[in-house]
Amino acid sequence: DAKTTQPTSMDCAEGRAANLPCNHSTISGNEYVYWYRQIHSQGPQYIIHGLKNNETNEMASLIITEDRKSSTLILPHATLRDTAVYYCIVRVESNYQLIWGAGTKLIIKP
Amino acid sequence: NAGVTQTPKFQVLKTGQSMTLQCAQDMNHEYMSWYRQDPGMGLRLIHYSVGAGITDQGEVPNGYNVSRSTTEDFPLRLLSAAPSQTSVYFCASSYPGGAGEETQYFGPGTRLLVL
Repeated sequence: DAKTTQPTSMDCAEGRAANLPCNHSTISGNEYVYWYRQIHSQGPQYIIHGLKNNETNEMASLIITEDRKSSTLILPHATLRDTAVYYCIVRVESNYQLIWGAGTKLIIKP
Repeated sequence: NAGVTQTPKFQVLKTGQSMTLQCAQDMNHEYMSWYRQDPGMGLRLIHYSVGAGITDQGEVPNGYNVSRSTTEDFPLRLLSAAPSQTSVYFCASSYPGGAGEETQYFGPGTRLLVL
């Protein structure tokens, strides 16, 4: 079973910030939160990951709550090319597994 | 770098046939894995390898075999194809970073239809 909960779908206007929430209330202390996206059935693409602190890279920002039970992926200026399914994943600490849920389908509208 | 490559891109099989899905990476990654993705769902781990000569089962290993004789290659074998194995198959490679850190790079996928 997936260790994360995400909304099924979201819309965002082009040029605005897209904020994608994720709940991971059972996360353990050493488990990282990862975000990937999948554009139109292509291979998933890594976006960002974090443990405790907020993270930012050229693609996005990741905000993790202090209790680590939830996080938000922020795409600061969404474009039409950001339309994709976004997956929030917790890497299982005990083994080599990323447990994937169904993700959030993000649609960027002109 | 070509990254992660998969062949074929698309394959049609008849029930009971066998085939091998090829996966190669040129990034010298230690870890490689195979996933399947059914329509509207996330990825499910089939088998994985943490280095040459080492493989292990994932969430849905039944009906599939793997081997890892080199760092670069990680083929997935379907021994006797069944319609339930109709899916999109993704290969991924990754390098272990610090404790718990690992970024996966995915191939473009192989679309398999079993009739």
